[in-house]
Amino acid sequence: GQNIDQPTEMTATEGAIVQINCTYQTSGFNGLFWYQQHAGEAPTFLSYNVLDGLEEKGRFSSFLSRSKGYSYLLLKELQMKDSASYLCAVKPGRGSTLGRLYFGRGTQLTVWP
Amino acid sequence: NAGVTQTPKFQVLKTGQSMTLQCAQDMNHEYMSWYRQDPGMGLRLIHYSVGAGITDQGEVPNGYNVSRSTTEDFPLRLLSAAPSQTSVYFCASSTGPISNQPQHFGDGTRLSIL
Repeated sequence: GQNIDQPTEMTATEGAIVQINCTYQTSGFNGLFWYQQHAGEAPTFLSYNVLDGLEEKGRFSSFLSRSKGYSYLLLKELQMKDSASYLCAVKPGRGSTLGRLYFGRGTQLTVWP
Repeated sequence: NAGVTQTPKFQVLKTGQSMTLQCAQDMNHEYMSWYRQDPGMGLRLIHYSVGAGITDQGEVPNGYNVSRSTTEDFPLRLLSAAPSQTSVYFCASSTGPISNQPQHFGDGTRLSIL
C-alpha cells in the first residue's frame, strides 16, 4: 500500500518560519503536491515537486528528496491567515495507481499573534 | 470562471435513502475523482475516472456508484445511505493521470446521514 506521514499539529508565532515535514513510501513516484486547506473550505494547490531540490514561491518553498522519500513545506514570515491544514499528496505513477493521488492526513498549523 | 462545481452544498438524509451528488467541471479535464474527508482521516479516494466512459474504484468505494457519460460531469450516487457515510465529499479534476498539473477541487458537499 501507499503510506504518507506528516505531523498532526504544529504551532508557530506570527513572523516566524515553520517547516512541515512529509515522508512517503509508495509504489513508484510521479510527483508530490502540497495543498492548503482552511477550515470549511476546499484544498487549494500550493506547490509541486518531481525532481530533487527546492522550489520557491514567494513566502512558501517546498523541498524534495526522492532517495529519502521526504519532502518539506517551508513557510516564512508567518501570518495569521496561514493558520490552516497543510496536505501532502503523492502521485505513485505505476500500474493500477497511475494518476491517483494519495493524501497524508494533513498538518493543522496554528499561527499565534 | 466556474472551475469545479458541486451541488448540493449541504444535505441531510435518513438511513436507507439514496441520492446523487453532482459534480461538473468546465476546464475540459480528463481526470475526475471523488474523495471523502473525515476528521483525522485526511482525503480518501472513493472513485475516479480517466475519461468519459471509464471509471475505477479508489480506496473506499463500497456503498457508492459513479458514471462518466460526458467529460464535464461525474456524479456520485449513494445507493442506500448509512450513518458511516456522514462526511464531507469533494470532487476534483485535473488535465490527465500522468500530468504534473494539480487537481482542482470543488467547494464540497457536507452530508449528514441520520
